[in-house]
Amino acid sequence: EDKVVQSPLSLVVHEGDTVTLNCSYEVTNFRSLLWYKQEKKAPTFLFMLTSSGIEKKSGRLSSILDKKELSSILNITATQTGDSAIYLCAVPPGTASKLTFGTGTRLQVTL
Amino acid sequence: GAVVSQHPSRVICKSGTSVKIECRSLDFQATTMFWYRQFPKKSLMLMATSNEGSKATYEQGVEKDKFLINHASLTLSTLTVTSAHPEDSSFYICSGRAGGNNEQFFGPGTRLTVL
Repeated sequence: EDKVVQSPLSLVVHEGDTVTLNCSYEVTNFRSLLWYKQEKKAPTFLFMLTSSGIEKKSGRLSSILDKKELSSILNITATQTGDSAIYLCAVPPGTASKLTFGTGTRLQVTL
Repeated sequence: GAVVSQHPSRVICKSGTSVKIECRSLDFQATTMFWYRQFPKKSLMLMATSNEGSKATYEQGVEKDKFLINHASLTLSTLTVTSAHPEDSSFYICSGRAGGNNEQFFGPGTRLTVL
């Protein structure tokens, strides 16, 4: 059975801290891993990772995939209160076009 | 990115009634649309996958007669919750996918409350 697990489940940090969120997966025929940020409504796309070891970066957010370890991390540096959200990772299992979502990490950034 | 809209954004209905939620891809053709359900503080659970012009594929445990999905065109899919019960109260989110791309574009979601 395909599985996507995220850790930690929740995290509270102070503004300015750096956080690392983890996502591990077990899927057949891995093709890609996607990261989303969900605030009050629907998820918004952050990154899609297909190649191991190549960092993708967008402002203070960056992400990297490790196919050997079957995992990915999402880093957020100099966190701000606006980063408070649920961060979801998702993997399309096998040849299916659907996504299997991880459990999500709820991040709260306090002043 | 591409835009997906959902209507209504919020609906309250009485037990036993049916509710239809629309999902539209506004600036792309969504060959595949997905319907998710999300409970408070939980992740998204895929309910069904629908390809334009064909029957939806439901995930295990999702009743196809309860959650009717129609994907009549490349820009519109509908989810009808039939004979709604309070336990159907949830946040329903749709997403659209164009062609062979893995990326899905999500709608803003519909919050359903069944009294």
